[in-house]
Amino acid sequence: DIVMTQTPSSQAVSAGEKVTMSCKSSQSLLYSENKKNYLAWYQQKPGQSPKLLISWASTRESGVPDRFIGSGSGTDFTLTISSVQAEDLAVYYCEQYYDTPNTFGAGTKLELK
Amino acid sequence: EVQLVESGGGLVQPGRSLKLSCVASGFTFSNYGMNWIRQAPGKGLEWVAYISSGSSYIYYAETVKGRFTISRDNAKNTLYLQMTSLRSEDTALYYCARPGKNYGGFAYWGQGTLVTVSS
Repeated sequence: DIVMTQTPSSQAVSAGEKVTMSCKSSQSLLYSENKKNYLAWYQQKPGQSPKLLISWASTRESGVPDRFIGSGSGTDFTLTISSVQAEDLAVYYCEQYYDTPNTFGAGTKLELK
Repeated sequence: EVQLVESGGGLVQPGRSLKLSCVASGFTFSNYGMNWIRQAPGKGLEWVAYISSGSSYIYYAETVKGRFTISRDNAKNTLYLQMTSLRSEDTALYYCARPGKNYGGFAYWGQGTLVTVSS
């Protein structure tokens, strides 16, 4: 199985800060034939179902604010929130769908400083 | 509007069985592969099973293979998960989930149904 490693596990932030979080996969998620990275980012707030923010490593879903930016390729990926808002406090998961079984990282929890 | 509504969860003793359902609406159910994903209390997400649109392809996580069976009824717009030989480690919120139109990630999730395995 592809192992997804997210760092940090938690991060204390202040509103307006730029935040970056990392997701590394144990093997490349870049499919050579279509040059796509099979990597998604999710946001989960307490008591809610996960929400897909970004697919294909950098494609923002409809309605997701442009402060959420996905980047990276191969085995190293980053989710950046350019200016954190209070409503962004949540747990963020990365997921690979390059191979079955789909696997998720353990999550990065954003907390208020 | 896409809606996925899970049901069937509850408290069950170890070794017993339970069947979950997920009723879909707002899209053509028979066009999409569907998944079950679970989340143990306070823990992360774990993909459980996948079934293709026409049920030809089925995959399971190793942790449930041989004990869980995913199925679907396209006429009823319903996805199922038959769970047998349940263990305490199967205790979790079980979500059904569907990919988005670009097939990248799980764009639609239900609200989940809680399965608690305990004596």
